[in-house]
Amino acid sequence: NAGVTQTPKFRILKIGQSMTLQCTQDMNHNYMYWYRQDPGMGLKLIYYSVGAGITDKGEVPNGYNVSRSTTEDFPLRLELAAPSQTSVYFCASSYVEGDGYTFGSGTRLTVV
Amino acid sequence: QQPVQSPQAVILREGEDAVINCSSSKALYSVHWYRQKHGEAPVFLMILLKGGEQKGHEKISASFNEKKQQSSLYLTASQLSYSGTYFCGTEGGSGYALNFGKGTSLLVTP
Repeated sequence: NAGVTQTPKFRILKIGQSMTLQCTQDMNHNYMYWYRQDPGMGLKLIYYSVGAGITDKGEVPNGYNVSRSTTEDFPLRLELAAPSQTSVYFCASSYVEGDGYTFGSGTRLTVV
Repeated sequence: QQPVQSPQAVILREGEDAVINCSSSKALYSVHWYRQKHGEAPVFLMILLKGGEQKGHEKISASFNEKKQQSSLYLTASQLSYSGTYFCGTEGGSGYALNFGKGTSLLVTP
Protein backbone atom coordinates (compact mmCIF):
# COMPACT_ATOMS: atom_id res chain seq x y z
CA ASN A 1 0.00 0.00 0.00
CA ALA A 2 1.72 3.18 -1.19
CA GLY A 3 -0.84 5.61 0.32
CA VAL A 4 -0.70 9.06 -1.31
CA THR A 5 2.07 9.54 -3.86
CA GLN A 6 3.15 12.97 -5.07
CA THR A 7 5.53 13.76 -7.91
CA PRO A 8 7.87 15.51 -8.37
CA LYS A 9 9.42 16.05 -4.92
CA PHE A 10 11.26 19.19 -6.00
CA ARG A 11 10.90 21.56 -8.93
CA ILE A 12 12.27 24.93 -9.99
CA LEU A 13 10.14 26.89 -12.46
CA LYS A 14 10.78 30.12 -14.26
CA ILE A 15 8.17 32.88 -14.08
CA GLY A 16 5.48 32.26 -16.68
CA GLN A 17 6.11 28.54 -17.05
CA SER A 18 3.43 25.94 -16.39
CA MET A 19 3.54 22.56 -14.72
CA THR A 20 1.36 19.81 -13.27
CA LEU A 21 1.84 18.40 -9.80
CA GLN A 22 0.77 14.79 -9.75
CA CYS A 23 -1.12 13.10 -6.90
CA THR A 24 -2.24 9.48 -6.78
CA GLN A 25 -3.78 7.45 -3.95
CA ASP A 26 -4.38 3.71 -3.81
CA MET A 27 -6.68 3.60 -0.77
CA ASN A 28 -9.95 4.05 -2.68
CA HIS A 29 -10.53 7.33 -0.86
CA ASN A 30 -13.37 9.47 -2.14
CA TYR A 31 -12.12 12.83 -0.89
CA MET A 32 -8.91 14.45 -2.11
CA TYR A 33 -7.37 17.82 -1.29
CA TRP A 34 -4.58 20.16 -2.32
CA TYR A 35 -2.97 22.41 0.29
CA ARG A 36 -0.04 24.76 0.14
CA GLN A 37 2.19 25.40 3.12
CA ASP A 38 4.17 28.60 3.58
CA PRO A 39 6.49 29.10 6.57
CA GLY A 40 4.57 30.00 9.72
CA MET A 41 1.22 30.12 7.90
CA GLY A 42 -0.13 26.61 8.31
CA LEU A 43 -1.85 24.81 5.46
CA LYS A 44 -4.09 26.69 3.04
CA LEU A 45 -6.68 24.81 0.97
CA ILE A 46 -6.36 25.30 -2.80
CA TYR A 47 -8.91 22.85 -4.23
CA TYR A 48 -10.69 19.74 -3.09
CA SER A 49 -12.76 16.95 -4.62
CA VAL A 50 -15.47 14.73 -3.14
CA GLY A 51 -15.35 12.19 -5.97
CA ALA A 52 -14.50 11.63 -9.62
CA GLY A 53 -15.77 14.47 -11.77
CA ILE A 54 -16.45 16.81 -8.82
CA THR A 55 -14.08 19.57 -7.74
CA ASP A 56 -14.47 22.78 -5.78
CA LYS A 57 -12.39 25.80 -4.86
CA GLY A 58 -10.77 26.28 -1.50
CA GLU A 59 -9.39 29.39 0.13
CA VAL A 60 -6.57 30.16 -2.35
CA PRO A 61 -7.50 28.81 -5.82
CA ASN A 62 -6.24 31.67 -8.00
CA GLY A 63 -3.51 30.59 -10.42
CA TYR A 64 -4.34 26.88 -10.09
CA ASN A 65 -6.61 24.35 -11.76
CA VAL A 66 -7.53 20.76 -10.96
CA SER A 67 -9.31 17.82 -12.50
CA ARG A 68 -10.56 14.52 -11.08
CA SER A 69 -11.21 12.06 -13.87
CA THR A 70 -10.60 8.97 -11.71
CA THR A 71 -10.92 8.15 -8.00
CA GLU A 72 -7.15 7.64 -7.76
CA ASP A 73 -5.74 10.78 -9.41
CA PHE A 74 -6.04 14.45 -8.55
CA PRO A 75 -3.47 16.54 -10.48
CA LEU A 76 -2.89 20.23 -9.74
CA ARG A 77 -2.07 22.48 -12.68
CA LEU A 78 -0.13 25.73 -12.33
CA GLU A 79 -0.54 28.10 -15.25
CA LEU A 80 1.81 31.08 -15.70
CA ALA A 81 3.87 30.47 -12.57
CA ALA A 82 4.54 33.47 -10.31
CA PRO A 83 7.02 33.91 -7.42
CA SER A 84 4.03 33.99 -5.02
CA GLN A 85 3.44 30.32 -5.87
CA THR A 86 6.76 29.34 -4.30
CA SER A 87 5.63 26.96 -1.57
CA VAL A 88 5.41 23.36 -0.43
CA TYR A 89 2.37 21.63 -1.89
CA PHE A 90 0.66 18.75 -0.12
CA CYS A 91 -1.95 16.44 -1.54
CA ALA A 92 -4.14 14.58 0.95
CA SER A 93 -7.02 12.13 0.87
CA SER A 94 -9.71 10.79 3.18
CA TYR A 95 -12.31 8.06 2.85
CA VAL A 96 -15.26 10.21 3.77
CA GLU A 97 -15.90 13.72 5.04
CA GLY A 98 -14.77 13.94 8.62
CA ASP A 99 -12.26 11.12 8.31
CA GLY A 100 -8.56 11.64 9.15
CA TYR A 101 -6.40 12.79 6.25
CA THR A 102 -3.50 10.89 4.75
CA PHE A 103 -0.93 13.28 3.29
CA GLY A 104 1.54 12.78 0.48
CA SER A 105 5.20 13.61 1.06
CA GLY A 106 4.87 17.00 -0.62
CA THR A 107 6.30 18.89 -3.59
CA ARG A 108 8.69 21.76 -2.91
CA LEU A 109 8.23 24.30 -5.71
CA THR A 110 10.39 27.35 -6.31
CA VAL A 111 9.45 29.95 -8.93
CA VAL A 112 12.32 32.21 -10.02
CA GLN B 1 -11.82 30.73 8.78
CA GLN B 2 -8.43 29.81 10.19
CA PRO B 3 -8.50 28.54 13.79
CA VAL B 4 -6.15 30.16 16.28
CA GLN B 5 -3.57 28.02 18.05
CA SER B 6 -1.69 28.82 21.24
CA PRO B 7 1.05 28.87 22.23
CA GLN B 8 3.05 29.45 19.03
CA ALA B 9 6.01 27.56 20.42
CA VAL B 10 6.93 25.59 23.53
CA ILE B 11 10.14 24.00 24.78
CA LEU B 12 9.94 21.10 27.21
CA ARG B 13 12.31 18.81 29.00
CA GLU B 14 11.71 15.12 28.52
CA GLY B 15 8.99 13.92 30.89
CA GLU B 16 7.21 17.27 31.21
CA ASP B 17 3.61 17.90 30.15
CA ALA B 18 2.23 20.36 27.61
CA VAL B 19 -1.14 21.67 26.47
CA ILE B 20 -1.83 23.09 23.00
CA ASN B 21 -5.02 25.01 22.40
CA CYS B 22 -7.09 25.56 19.28
CA SER B 23 -10.02 27.96 19.07
CA SER B 24 -12.43 28.98 16.34
CA SER B 25 -14.83 31.87 15.85
CA LYS B 26 -17.26 29.56 14.03
CA ALA B 27 -19.34 26.63 15.26
CA LEU B 28 -17.41 23.39 14.84
CA TYR B 29 -18.48 19.93 13.77
CA SER B 30 -15.12 18.28 14.28
CA VAL B 31 -11.51 19.01 15.21
CA HIS B 32 -8.51 17.11 13.88
CA TRP B 33 -4.97 17.09 15.29
CA TYR B 34 -1.84 16.44 13.21
CA ARG B 35 1.89 16.39 13.92
CA GLN B 36 4.49 17.37 11.34
CA LYS B 37 8.21 16.75 11.72
CA HIS B 38 10.65 18.98 9.87
CA GLY B 39 10.71 18.26 6.14
CA GLU B 40 7.95 15.65 6.38
CA ALA B 41 4.22 15.47 5.75
CA PRO B 42 1.67 16.03 8.53
CA VAL B 43 0.56 12.83 10.25
CA PHE B 44 -2.96 12.32 11.61
CA LEU B 45 -3.15 11.95 15.40
CA MET B 46 -6.84 12.01 16.26
CA ILE B 47 -10.25 13.43 15.49
CA LEU B 48 -12.86 14.77 17.91
CA LEU B 49 -16.45 14.95 16.78
CA LYS B 50 -19.24 17.19 18.01
CA GLY B 51 -21.03 15.39 20.79
CA GLY B 52 -18.11 13.00 21.23
CA GLU B 53 -16.01 12.39 24.26
CA GLN B 54 -12.33 13.00 24.93
CA LYS B 55 -10.08 10.80 22.82
CA GLY B 56 -6.66 9.43 23.61
CA HIS B 57 -3.65 8.05 21.83
CA GLU B 58 -1.11 6.59 24.28
CA LYS B 59 0.14 9.62 26.23
CA ILE B 60 -1.46 12.12 23.87
CA SER B 61 -5.11 12.99 24.43
CA ALA B 62 -7.47 15.77 23.45
CA SER B 63 -10.74 17.39 24.41
CA PHE B 64 -13.38 19.31 22.47
CA ASN B 65 -15.58 21.98 24.02
CA GLU B 66 -18.35 22.64 21.49
CA LYS B 67 -19.85 25.57 23.38
CA LYS B 68 -16.55 27.43 23.52
CA GLN B 69 -15.56 26.22 20.04
CA GLN B 70 -12.23 25.10 21.44
CA SER B 71 -10.08 22.01 21.52
CA SER B 72 -7.00 21.21 23.58
CA LEU B 73 -4.27 18.66 22.95
CA TYR B 74 -2.60 17.19 26.04
CA LEU B 75 0.88 15.69 25.84
CA THR B 76 1.78 13.81 29.01
CA ALA B 77 5.29 12.77 30.07
CA SER B 78 6.72 14.07 26.80
CA GLN B 79 9.25 12.06 24.84
CA LEU B 80 11.92 13.26 22.42
CA SER B 81 9.84 11.81 19.58
CA TYR B 82 7.03 14.27 20.37
CA SER B 83 9.06 17.14 18.90
CA GLY B 84 7.49 18.70 15.82
CA THR B 85 4.80 21.13 14.79
CA TYR B 86 1.25 20.40 15.86
CA PHE B 87 -1.67 21.57 13.74
CA CYS B 88 -5.34 21.59 14.51
CA GLY B 89 -7.76 21.36 11.61
CA THR B 90 -11.37 22.39 12.03
CA GLU B 91 -14.50 21.49 10.10
CA GLY B 92 -17.66 23.52 10.31
CA GLY B 93 -19.94 20.78 9.02
CA SER B 94 -20.76 22.62 5.81
CA GLY B 95 -19.08 20.05 3.58
CA TYR B 96 -15.85 21.99 3.13
CA ALA B 97 -12.41 20.62 3.84
CA LEU B 98 -10.41 21.33 6.98
CA ASN B 99 -9.14 24.77 7.90
CA PHE B 100 -5.77 24.46 9.61
CA GLY B 101 -4.23 26.66 12.27
CA LYS B 102 -0.75 28.14 11.91
CA GLY B 103 0.72 25.43 14.09
CA THR B 104 2.47 25.11 17.45
CA SER B 105 6.15 24.24 17.42
CA LEU B 106 7.06 21.79 20.19
CA LEU B 107 10.66 20.97 21.10
CA VAL B 108 11.41 18.29 23.68
CA THR B 109 14.96 18.38 25.01
CA PRO B 110 16.84 15.67 26.95
